Amino acid sequence: DAGITQSPRHKVTETGTPVTLRCHQTENHRYMYWYRQDPGHGLRLIHYSYGVKDTDKGEVSDGYSVSRSKTEDFLLTLESATSSQTSVYFCAISESTDPGRQFFGPGTRLTVL
Amino acid sequence: TQLLEQSPQFLSIQEGENLTVYCNSSSVFSSLQWYRQEPGEGPVLLVTVVTGGEVKKLKRLTFQFGDARKDSSLHITAAQPGDTGLYLCAGPLTTGTASKLTFGTGTRLQVTL
Repeated sequence: DAGITQSPRHKVTETGTPVTLRCHQTENHRYMYWYRQDPGHGLRLIHYSYGVKDTDKGEVSDGYSVSRSKTEDFLLTLESATSSQTSVYFCAISESTDPGRQFFGPGTRLTVL
Repeated sequence: TQLLEQSPQFLSIQEGENLTVYCNSSSVFSSLQWYRQEPGEGPVLLVTVVTGGEVKKLKRLTFQFGDARKDSSLHITAAQPGDTGLYLCAGPLTTGTASKLTFGTGTRLQVTL
């Protein structure tokens, strides 16, 4: 199994508070991704990174920001959490330019009250 | 708008039955991937199909890529309770900065004794 951890695994927070989710990899893979998973929508890409300090938006990036200061860490921040951001968040990594071969972390379940 | 549509959304069958899951698009993909996700875990890559008309087998699972590379199917023979999970198809989106995947909405399979 690829070495990917996510923290925290579960979080309950209140509307309007900032939240940061962390993805940590030990594989030295170049590409890292943040997805959210909601019933009826499958997995949707929030942001991705193609190198240290190189990031770009995915299809549902509004309300989210990311940072990657080291190869191994990719942070997802909700500046002011809203109830619509209640979801399960997955981090994924990929070694090559072939996007199909992604390895996923265990997920973070976030509830915004 | 989902680029990849999966059907059926839910499938509940008994052990020993056969089933087919479909992944359809109006767009041509250079490849399609199938992932399986078990409750509380991230998706795990099962297979990648690349060539139109390609058929790949993984034990009791048979994957086929359509001739026009717009659709794919997953056939499971003699389903077992261990096959229970969410099956996701995914395809790469071309981008100048990084490789990205778009996912289908998923088919949730439950196999009972």
